[in-house]
Amino acid sequence: GAVVSQHPSRVICKSGTSVKIECRSLDFQATTMFWYRQFPKQSLMLMATSNEGSKATYEQGVEKDKFLINHASLTLSTLTVTSAHPEDSSFYICSARLSQAGTSNQPQHFGDGTRLSIL
Amino acid sequence: AQSVAQPEDQVNVAEGNPLTVKCTYSVSGNPYLFWYVQYPNRGLQFLLKYITGDNLVKGSYGFEAEFNKSQTSFHLKKPSALVSDSALYFCAVRDGNSGNTPLVFGKGTRLSVIA
Repeated sequence: GAVVSQHPSRVICKSGTSVKIECRSLDFQATTMFWYRQFPKQSLMLMATSNEGSKATYEQGVEKDKFLINHASLTLSTLTVTSAHPEDSSFYICSARLSQAGTSNQPQHFGDGTRLSIL
Repeated sequence: AQSVAQPEDQVNVAEGNPLTVKCTYSVSGNPYLFWYVQYPNRGLQFLLKYITGDNLVKGSYGFEAEFNKSQTSFHLKKPSALVSDSALYFCAVRDGNSGNTPLVFGKGTRLSVIA
């Protein structure tokens, strides 16, 4: 089945550090990937939609200069949390879906998430 | 716009008993419905989906769900619960008529199966 790999799984760093999270679709091509944030005991909040070769689409209230998204290839999207602060601590999850014609009914496949802790 | 409601924060069931996790949805177009499961500190694993066809959908690990258009529901069920089924379950929907849009998730239901 379709596999999404997310790296790193856990990051602990000092306030002010920038952190990059990678999301790869291992056995399929994804023109679109999605980045979610999950707070403890809460649902997934969509942050942005990452489109290969173009600018990401951010949801309302998400700072695009804070959360930089790059989707340079059909199998890789990155999320960079710039100048991270303790309030950015969270569980970040990426997701991708097959992008071939006729696959709009396919499920989104998720990475295992990145637990970000800013001290 | 689409939305999903999971009315129960927590469901407790004894091992071996049937389980139901409830989900209702709202979508303006054609509903594509999904169930996912999340284990601690992990991403979401796909369980099953309804796109079209038979209202009863069977998925992974013995789970099934029934699409009910008149009640706009898509409840997740399993005939006999296992302790290993204890996890967080998410129902999700997208409008099948609206292209490559992301899934919209419910707030999740925590299932606890007690031995």
